[in-house]
Amino acid sequence: NAGVTQTPKFQVLKTGQSMTLQCAQDMNHEYMSWYRQDPGMGLRLIHYSVGAGITDQGEVPNGYNVSRSTTEDFPLRLLSAAPSQTSVYFCASRRGQGSYEQYFGPGTRLTVT
Amino acid sequence: AQRVTQPEKLLSVFKGAPVELKCNYSYSGSPELFWYVQYSRQRLQLLLRHISRESIKGFTADLNKGETSFHLKKPFAQEEDSAMYYCALVGSSNTGKLIFGQGTTLQVKP
Repeated sequence: NAGVTQTPKFQVLKTGQSMTLQCAQDMNHEYMSWYRQDPGMGLRLIHYSVGAGITDQGEVPNGYNVSRSTTEDFPLRLLSAAPSQTSVYFCASRRGQGSYEQYFGPGTRLTVT
Repeated sequence: AQRVTQPEKLLSVFKGAPVELKCNYSYSGSPELFWYVQYSRQRLQLLLRHISRESIKGFTADLNKGETSFHLKKPFAQEEDSAMYYCALVGSSNTGKLIFGQGTTLQVKP
C-alpha cells in the first residue's frame, strides 16, 4: 500500500492563480481531511469528509473548496490564491467511525507570491 | 467549543532529563485524546491514545478530566525524541473531526 499520497510536493503560485492539491489513499478509508500547518498555529482543519459525496467545513475553510467523488480521492482547490495561503498542506485519512488513528500524507509546501 | 491548547512552543531539555509536554483541552462531553509526533523529514504519526493507556517509546499520557489535561511525559529524554508533538482531540464520533493543538517542539540536547 502507498498509504496517503499527495501531489505536488512543492508549488509556487502568484496571487490570484488557482490550483488543485491532489490527495489519494489506497486503504479504503472513509474519512479524509485537509490541514494546513503554520508556525505557531499548529495544524488547522480546512475541510473534511466522512465518505464519498459528503464534505464539511473545518476551522479555516475560506478560500478552499473540496469534493469527494470517490473514496480514494480528496482534492483541495484554491480558488484564487493569496499570500495568506502560503503554508504546508497535509492530507490525512482514517478508517471511519470508531477508528481514530489518522494517517498523514507527506505534505505539499505552497508558496503564494 | 472544541479546543486544544499546547502552551509551550518549544521545550528544550538535556538528555536524561524528565520531559512533560502540556496539553489542555476544552470539550463538554467525554473526549478522545491523542498525541501525534512529527520527526524531522517524516510524516505525522500517531504516538499514543488515551483509551489504550499504553506506553510508547517510554512516553505516557494520563487524561485528567478535572484539570482537562492530557500531558505527555517521559522520565528520561533521549536525543531521538527531538520532534514536533501535537495533542489532538476527537469531540464526536459522528463528525470525523480531529482537532489539533498548536504543537510543541521538543529539543533534547546531548
